Amino acid sequence: DGGITQSPKYLFRKEGQNVTLSCEQNLNHDAMYWYRQDPGQGLRLIYYSQIVNDFQKGDIAEGYSVSREKKESFPLTVTSAQKNPTAFYLCASSTGQAVTGELFFGEGSRLTVL
Amino acid sequence: GENVEQHPSTLSVQEGDSAVIKCTYSDSASNYFPWYKQELGKRPQLIIDIRSNVGEKKDQRIAVTLNKTAKHFSLHITETQPEDSAVYFCAATYNNNDMRFGAGTRLTVKP
Repeated sequence: DGGITQSPKYLFRKEGQNVTLSCEQNLNHDAMYWYRQDPGQGLRLIYYSQIVNDFQKGDIAEGYSVSREKKESFPLTVTSAQKNPTAFYLCASSTGQAVTGELFFGEGSRLTVL
Repeated sequence: GENVEQHPSTLSVQEGDSAVIKCTYSDSASNYFPWYKQELGKRPQLIIDIRSNVGEKKDQRIAVTLNKTAKHFSLHITETQPEDSAVYFCAATYNNNDMRFGAGTRLTVKP
């Protein structure tokens, strides 16, 4: 069953802790993306990767880090430097290396900082 | 960079009526304009898209129009049904790598 899988679905973190959100796809897509969704603000791009071992910052990369060691995987680490990390995080992928086609989204991870 | 504005933020219609959501973009080089639907608790899914060389595209009850001169594009849903209730996002792609989303419109279709 092809798709994009995010885990965990819900995550709680204490202030000062780093957390890593997992994103795996078996669609053989080249490009992967991380978006943050806050109420009333749409989707904002954190990082994207168009090819293995390469990634670019989006609009709100500060306090986040990523890696792309395998085509299938694009984990996002929310570091303690992120001032307001409580949000809904969406991972997506697309064919090719240009965002001029459909984005396939995961079901999201909701992070709450206590 | 690109900036996408979306209106209205909320929209309530009676079942069977039409709904229109409008977006404007800032960069004239933008060339791809998708619309995503996100039902409550679910992932966003593409419902329709349009490229800059086309003025209108239709798929059953939904249509999208693009006015490149004015830099705006709109989603039209006819004969709305309760299952159309969701949050709708427009987006614009600039320079093939940079997709910017609007803030979303919460559509409620009342039976």
